[in-house]
Amino acid sequence: KNQVEQSPQSLIILEGKNCTLQCNYTVSPFSNLRWYKQDTGRGPVSLTIMTFSENTKSNGRYTATLDADTKQSSLHITASQLSDSASYICVVKGNYGQNFVFGPGTRLSVLP
Amino acid sequence: DGGITQSPKYLFRKEGQNVTLSCEQNLNHDAMYWYRQDPGQGLRLIYYSQIVNDFQKGDIAEGYSVSREKKESFPLTVTSAQKNPTAFYLCATSVSVSYEQYFGPGTRLTVT
Repeated sequence: KNQVEQSPQSLIILEGKNCTLQCNYTVSPFSNLRWYKQDTGRGPVSLTIMTFSENTKSNGRYTATLDADTKQSSLHITASQLSDSASYICVVKGNYGQNFVFGPGTRLSVLP
Repeated sequence: DGGITQSPKYLFRKEGQNVTLSCEQNLNHDAMYWYRQDPGQGLRLIYYSQIVNDFQKGDIAEGYSVSREKKESFPLTVTSAQKNPTAFYLCATSVSVSYEQYFGPGTRLTVT
C-alpha cells in the first residue's frame, strides 16, 4: 500500500533555531516529492518539488533533501521565524495517473 | 491561494441536508480536485476532473457528487449519504493531472 509517514507529529522550537522534519514513503514507482506549508485554516502552499534525480533543493530558509534509495526526505528550516509556525506536509506522486499520496503533516510551533 | 476561490469559508448545515461547496479558478488549469482534511490525517482525494465534462472518483467518493460543466468551476455536493461530513474541504487545480497542484483557501463544513 502506498503510504507517506511524517515525523515528528508536532514540534516546538524557539525563534532563531533550526529544525528538521522527516518524511518516509513507500510509494512506488516514484515520480516526485513535494513539501507544502499549510497555515491554520488555509490551503497548502508549495515549498519545493523534487524529482528522482534531485538530492537537494532550497527555497530561501527551506532546504529539502531526498534519498530515493531509502525513500526518505527531510525539510530543514534555518533560523526559524514566528511565521514558520504551520503544518508541513509531504506529498509523494507515483508514476501512474492521478496518484498523489499525502502525509499527515508535522505541526511546527515557533515560540518567541 | 491566488486564482482559486472557495466559498463560503465557513458553512453550517443540519444533518440530512445536501450542501454544495463552490470552487472557481481563473488559472486556466485543466485539472481540478477536491480533498477532505481531517485532524491528524493526510488530505484524502474525493473527486478529480482532468477536463470539462469528465470527472473521476477518488479514494473517498461515497456520499459526494461533483460536476464540471465549465473549465473554471468544479462544485462539490456533500449529500446526506455522507456519514461524517464535518471536515475542512480543499479544492486544488493543476495545469494537468501530473503537474503541481495549487490549493484554494478551503471551506470548513460543520454538520450538526
